Amino acid sequence: ETGVTQSPTHLIKTRGQQVTLRCSSQSGHNTVSWYQQALGQGPQFIFQYYREEENGRGNFPPRFSGLQFPNYSSELNVNALELDDSALYLCASSLPLGGASTDTQYFGPGTRLTVL
Amino acid sequence: QQQVKQSPQSLIVQKGGIPIINCAYENTAFDYFPWYQQFPGKGPALLIAIRPDVSEKKEGRFTISFNKSAKQFSLHIMDSQPGDSATYFCAASRRDNYGQNFVFGPGTRLSVLP
Repeated sequence: ETGVTQSPTHLIKTRGQQVTLRCSSQSGHNTVSWYQQALGQGPQFIFQYYREEENGRGNFPPRFSGLQFPNYSSELNVNALELDDSALYLCASSLPLGGASTDTQYFGPGTRLTVL
Repeated sequence: QQQVKQSPQSLIVQKGGIPIINCAYENTAFDYFPWYQQFPGKGPALLIAIRPDVSEKKEGRFTISFNKSAKQFSLHIMDSQPGDSATYFCAASRRDNYGQNFVFGPGTRLSVLP
């Protein structure tokens, strides 16, 4: 088990609503990445946060936004939910940038979001 | 160019067999190639990873073979056990000004029969 925790475990929302997902990174990790994993597919990179700043973004619309806090925990916010947003949302933390060890990402258990 | 292809989609082997999962990439800027194992209801867990300056890496029963010229890499699981039944993802990443950017394959569902 990694030290990455996510909440809530499961969430059900209706189309058009907004949702906030939370992630606590492993101790000492200041980089957090968010991924969307649709059923039967590999994780897709949403964005990464490093020292409270967005540090790279995948092909996701602006209604996907995030925050990182001084304790390195992070939030993923999704506005105007669509049916296709139903997926497992994964958070991964990694070691500080600047060394080879930063390549290792440790994933949390994910939040299962269902949009009806 | 950002895509990572993975095959087969699913694989069934008997206990003790050696399943092999293959991945291919296009972007020569990728410089780190990890394999992740995911059980139902859990997040992916890092199994083993390789950099393009070596052709093979072994950790326990898991081996990565890497062919830089062909832009392919594969995972071999020696003496497979029923507990290895899971979904396996290959990934590739490159470091740029925005940190590490990971691209995942679509996954291979492995079943190891007792």
